[in-house]
Amino acid sequence: DAKTTQPPSMDCAEGRAANLPCNHSTISGNEYVYWYRQIHSQGPQYIIHGLKNNETNEMASLIITEDRKSSTLILPHATLRDTAVYYCIVRVREYGNKLVFGAGTILRVKS
Amino acid sequence: GAGVSQSPRYKVAKRGQDVALRCDPISGHVSLFWYQQALGQGPEFLTYFQNEAQLDKSGLPSDRFFAERPEGSVSTLKIQRTQQEDSAVYLCASSLIGAQYFGPGTRLLVL
Repeated sequence: DAKTTQPPSMDCAEGRAANLPCNHSTISGNEYVYWYRQIHSQGPQYIIHGLKNNETNEMASLIITEDRKSSTLILPHATLRDTAVYYCIVRVREYGNKLVFGAGTILRVKS
Repeated sequence: GAGVSQSPRYKVAKRGQDVALRCDPISGHVSLFWYQQALGQGPEFLTYFQNEAQLDKSGLPSDRFFAERPEGSVSTLKIQRTQQEDSAVYLCASSLIGAQYFGPGTRLLVL
């Protein structure tokens, strides 16, 4: 699986959009971009995934560049409860393919 | 609907004791994964089941670690003769083919 690079930490004001970047310059054509987050003392939570098109769900939006070498997770109106470690992971979407977690980005939402 | 559940949530063991950690996956999920998360680190893969078959156990750190899923549903991770370095959060995740959904984890402390 391709590696990802994320900033170690970011701050965001409550109510503002949080934009979390991820670089994955060695991504393969069949690898998807997945985002998970882990709130303190909880298991990781799936947020969203995409292949090449932008995706949106009730939690977030995922913007993938045309060359697929980077992506941005957008939380449109961050709340204090969004404070967590956010992991960007690239993987082939098939049975048995484990998740390889990097260090992630610590997002702190402040009032 | 019901998510992934794990029990116990917390376990304190004396060094040398055997422990068993249980995972109840989401009903109908074919795939089941176990991960280990040390303090301050991201989760690391331990083993993978597809139905009752253990197809990947490359992440198990030693032969003291054993996992089973005899009927393709509930899984148990057993650690024999626990050591202090086994202290960690043990996470279970289940999936169909795409996103993995995690349980809350079992926090194991070996004294």
